[in-house]
Amino acid sequence: AQRVTQPEKLLSVFKGAPVELKCNYSYSGSPELFWYVQYSRQRLQLLLRHISRESIKGFTADLNKGETSFHLKKPFAQEEDSAMYYCALSLYNFNKFYFGSGTKLNVKP
Amino acid sequence: KAGVTQTPRYLIKTRGQQVTLSCSPISGHRSVSWYQQTPGQGLQFLFEYFSETQRNKGNFPGRFSGRQFSNSRSEMNVSTLELGDSALYLCASSLSPVSRTEAFFGQGTRLTVV
Repeated sequence: AQRVTQPEKLLSVFKGAPVELKCNYSYSGSPELFWYVQYSRQRLQLLLRHISRESIKGFTADLNKGETSFHLKKPFAQEEDSAMYYCALSLYNFNKFYFGSGTKLNVKP
Repeated sequence: KAGVTQTPRYLIKTRGQQVTLSCSPISGHRSVSWYQQTPGQGLQFLFEYFSETQRNKGNFPGRFSGRQFSNSRSEMNVSTLELGDSALYLCASSLSPVSRTEAFFGQGTRLTVV
């Protein structure tokens, strides 16, 4: 069965420090991986997806099929990055996501 | 363009009652999926609809049902409410399941069962 694991419930870093939010998945095939973000009092929104291979708001994520990981990274965290981050997996041909339990990122001034 | 709209935003119901939640997708989007979000279980998939057909269903009891109309609007219904059904219910819309385009989420309906 498909499963997404985010081992950290809370991650606190200081402004300007690097940040890495971990995500591991279990699926035997080739899924699509996403990072969604939810800022305070806002709706869940897409941050980035692995097939785009782009950097959004300074965040990047690389799909490592060998380690079945899709960690989210940013070299210099900003206070406005404080939010809830969800890693999600989707199978092709379905509008259906398997979400991790989420990591709350707190960037301190 | 207008985002995904969910109504009502908040709802309080009594155990044993039933409830209907509504989701209006972004114009042109034909795929709608529903999720239940709770502090203990996180975000869990409920259903996925495309062109008025349910394509996928999550691991929820039969008390949870849904449908999609010809204009792509979707409703979900929960009958015989239980305290454990208290949650934030989110819907997401996308062009189609195979388009591999972004799914957009609504702000959710907060259901409280007392």
